[in-house]
Amino acid sequence: QVQLQESGPGLVKPSQTLSLTCTVSGGSISSGSYYWTWIRQPAGKGLEWIGHIYTSGRTNFNPSLKSRVIISQDTSKNQFSLRLISVTAADTAVYYCARGVVIPPAFDSWGQGSLVAVSS
Amino acid sequence: QSALTQPASVSGSPGQSITISCTGTSSDVGGFDYVSWYQQHPGKAPKLIISAVSKRPSGVSDRFSGSKSGNTASLTISGLQAEDEADYYCNSFTSSSTYVFGTGTKVTVL
Repeated sequence: QVQLQESGPGLVKPSQTLSLTCTVSGGSISSGSYYWTWIRQPAGKGLEWIGHIYTSGRTNFNPSLKSRVIISQDTSKNQFSLRLISVTAADTAVYYCARGVVIPPAFDSWGQGSLVAVSS
Repeated sequence: QSALTQPASVSGSPGQSITISCTGTSSDVGGFDYVSWYQQHPGKAPKLIISAVSKRPSGVSDRFSGSKSGNTASLTISGLQAEDEADYYCNSFTSSSTYVFGTGTKVTVL
């Protein structure tokens, strides 16, 4: 059974870069049929799809965040990462990594979530 | 892309059935049979309960069922139980090859 675990700083200063890593166990991120995905949830609010990376390295992002998001992968470590640049308080949220099934599209495995606060 | 529209809250008594709607557009919900539903208990990660409009993953109770008509998808919970009290989110694939979540619905078991 695949498991995902987020890691990274819990506090980021405004205008700086938020960086998170998702470590995958019980399955390889190099195997096809999955999108490795980032999703976030501000406190008391709904879920927001941030973007994903496919095995080939192809990425796709939420249009509202596209200019500030980078998603990359390190297949040797079985990890994928999120970088969100020029953060503001509005980026404070719980960030989840998830495995996205390509067909049919769905997020079938999730990490426990990582709270990131943006504050000086 | 705009969030899909869900009712903020739905409630029901134990044993009853409730339905949660998820309304989008022809560019998302109406354009593809790729609506999924997630259950989220407080402080926990979401859990997939329905994919491809109406398919239940292994291990998910058959009290959960999904359907779609036009630009609106629906999740029905039959035989409501106390453990069903949670937040529920729909999600759809879009014509831009992105994904959009619903606004979320809080289910209360009276």
